[in-house]
Amino acid sequence: QSALTQPASVSGSPGQSITISCTGTSSDVGGYNYVSWYQQHPGKAPKLMIYEVSNRPSGVSNRFSGSNSGNTASLTISGLQAEDESDYYCSSYTSSSTRVFGTGTKVTVL
Amino acid sequence: QVQLVQSGAEVKKPGASVKVSCKASGYTFTGYYMNWVRQAPGQGLEWLGIINPSGGSTTYAQKFQGRVTMTRDTSTSTVYMELSSLRSEDTAVYYCARENPHSDAFDIWGQGTMVTVSS
Repeated sequence: QSALTQPASVSGSPGQSITISCTGTSSDVGGYNYVSWYQQHPGKAPKLMIYEVSNRPSGVSNRFSGSNSGNTASLTISGLQAEDESDYYCSSYTSSSTRVFGTGTKVTVL
Repeated sequence: QVQLVQSGAEVKKPGASVKVSCKASGYTFTGYYMNWVRQAPGQGLEWLGIINPSGGSTTYAQKFQGRVTMTRDTSTSTVYMELSSLRSEDTAVYYCARENPHSDAFDIWGQGTMVTVSS
């Protein structure tokens, strides 16, 4: 199972919106609505930000939203803030009943 | 509160095995799957496998088949991950992560256990 493909880095100015893509195949991202997104600050455990493509857990800002189209899922951060500077990973359920992570994206707030 | 507490850091020699524990509290242990995820220094997240604490069934990533074993002890609400035939590339932080069976998302994570493989 190959890792899902994410851009290595994305940047934006405070207040702007950015979108991180997560590309897989019809055996994972494109085949199930079980895509989730995680935020990870340096030295910390990942934190769930989005589950089932577009649902936010309680306590996560509504500036974070998710969507998918075909074999690509996306995470959008609107109203970018300094605290959003972090690494982000997508994850998907697969047809083999395994899970797979994306390659990770470093978000920089300019 | 809901939490996962992992065992402490380990240093192992190549060829040895390591067993990491993850003790759950604050929820019904058998109601949620548990995953193991690792992260090598400066690298991304890598999924190792999943265990159903209710019946003990497991699914492992193909890459680790034959080298990883996940078990659980329902009397202590603890899951274990044992990785054998260690090599330097196994140096990483190992996390346990609870999975909601309805959403397949990892909603609670342990604090991580650093495993260093060095001669």
